[in-house]
Amino acid sequence: AQSVTQLGSHVSVSEGALVLLRCNYSSSVPPYLFWYVQYPNQGLQLLLKYTTGATLVKGINGFEAEFKKSETSFHLTKPSAHMSDAAEYFCAVMVYGNNRLAFGKGNQVVVIP
Amino acid sequence: ETGVTQSPTHLIKTRGQQVTLRCSSQSGHNTVSWYQQALGQGPQFIFQYYREEENGRGNFPPRFSGLQFPNYSSELNVNALELDDSALYLCASSFAGGGETQYFGPGTRLLVL
Repeated sequence: AQSVTQLGSHVSVSEGALVLLRCNYSSSVPPYLFWYVQYPNQGLQLLLKYTTGATLVKGINGFEAEFKKSETSFHLTKPSAHMSDAAEYFCAVMVYGNNRLAFGKGNQVVVIP
Repeated sequence: ETGVTQSPTHLIKTRGQQVTLRCSSQSGHNTVSWYQQALGQGPQFIFQYYREEENGRGNFPPRFSGLQFPNYSSELNVNALELDDSALYLCASSFAGGGETQYFGPGTRLLVL
């Protein structure tokens, strides 16, 4: 069964600094990978996804992620944090033919002015 | 284009009661998935409906059941509520197919006393 590991439940970053959220997955077959963001008292919003093709994926709000098969990773980055980036971020994996998402535990991002 | 909507937004029940949560899928989507998100955790897959049939189920007991209607809207029913059922329940709609993005509603927050 597929699974996702996100380390560090709380991540503090200074405004203007690099945002780096790590995601490692476990899957016996090539996966589809997703990053979602959740603002307080809201549902999940898709940031970006990887299905096939280019391994560097660009998403909304300046975020991007790189799929590295050899490292089973899909880390999320943003060059310069903004106060509006304060939210919870979830990495998720989906296996082809099994249209369910398996989520990590999430990273709560705090942006320090 | 109308997004995914859920009702009610909040609900308080007592242990042993039954609850029904509702979801209207995004226009054009034919698949609905339900997730449970406990406080401080990532969402957990409950089940998915496609063409009014259950199309996959996570590790949840039979007292969690669902329906999908011809207009692709869906209901989640939980019988014999337990305290641990307190959570945010998220509905997501999508097209059937590998790697298709699931679009989430705002969720229903259920509190069981």
